[in-house]
Amino acid sequence: NAGVTQTPKFQVLKTGQSMTLQCAQDMNHNSMYWYRQDPGMGLRLIYYSASEGTTDKGEVPNGYNVSRLNKREFSLRLESAAPSQTSVYFCASSIRDRNNSPLHFGNGTRLTVT
Amino acid sequence: SQQGEEDPQALSIQEGENATMNCSYKTSINNLQWYRQNSGRGLVHLILIRSNEREKHSGRLRVTLDTSKKSSSLLITASRAADTASYFCATSRDDKIIFGKGTRLHILP
Repeated sequence: NAGVTQTPKFQVLKTGQSMTLQCAQDMNHNSMYWYRQDPGMGLRLIYYSASEGTTDKGEVPNGYNVSRLNKREFSLRLESAAPSQTSVYFCASSIRDRNNSPLHFGNGTRLTVT
Repeated sequence: SQQGEEDPQALSIQEGENATMNCSYKTSINNLQWYRQNSGRGLVHLILIRSNEREKHSGRLRVTLDTSKKSSSLLITASRAADTASYFCATSRDDKIIFGKGTRLHILP
């Protein structure tokens, strides 16, 4: 049982390049989330998907797009990377029970944009 | 903004002492959760308290929630070296889960 799997673990991009961060969960969870973590800023929500077929903006959606490909997979795309998007990106999932739904996190993708 | 704010930003205590961290938030919530993060790895869920609960225990952890003050506290009793980590509160409203900036806890030997 792998839980939440993120790929790649590390990535270096040049400004203007594009890439997709992949996330998959095998826990049959309904909700999935993308966060970024910068030093001193905690985790900031980029986008989330409450259920298959829906996506919503979080706190910092600009410069990103997402796709909920199916119930298992939720990808994050950077169309034109900028140095300000250098960060650690975390994917998480939850059952989607409003009263009892902790998040399960992947191990993160460390992205550097030069 | 729904965001929680932890206080203090950093805390150093002697092993064996109790550690208390606080979280304040701004809007109504469904529940509040606490997470631990070691050295930039993925966060690990510690405890969840629902909006209609006032106190919850799990092992050495005690969480309180005061919805009238929009605040929560996390108490770790009898701290251990392994408790050294960053701790985050997260507020949940509908399907949106927002994190605070965290408290860095350092347990001194």
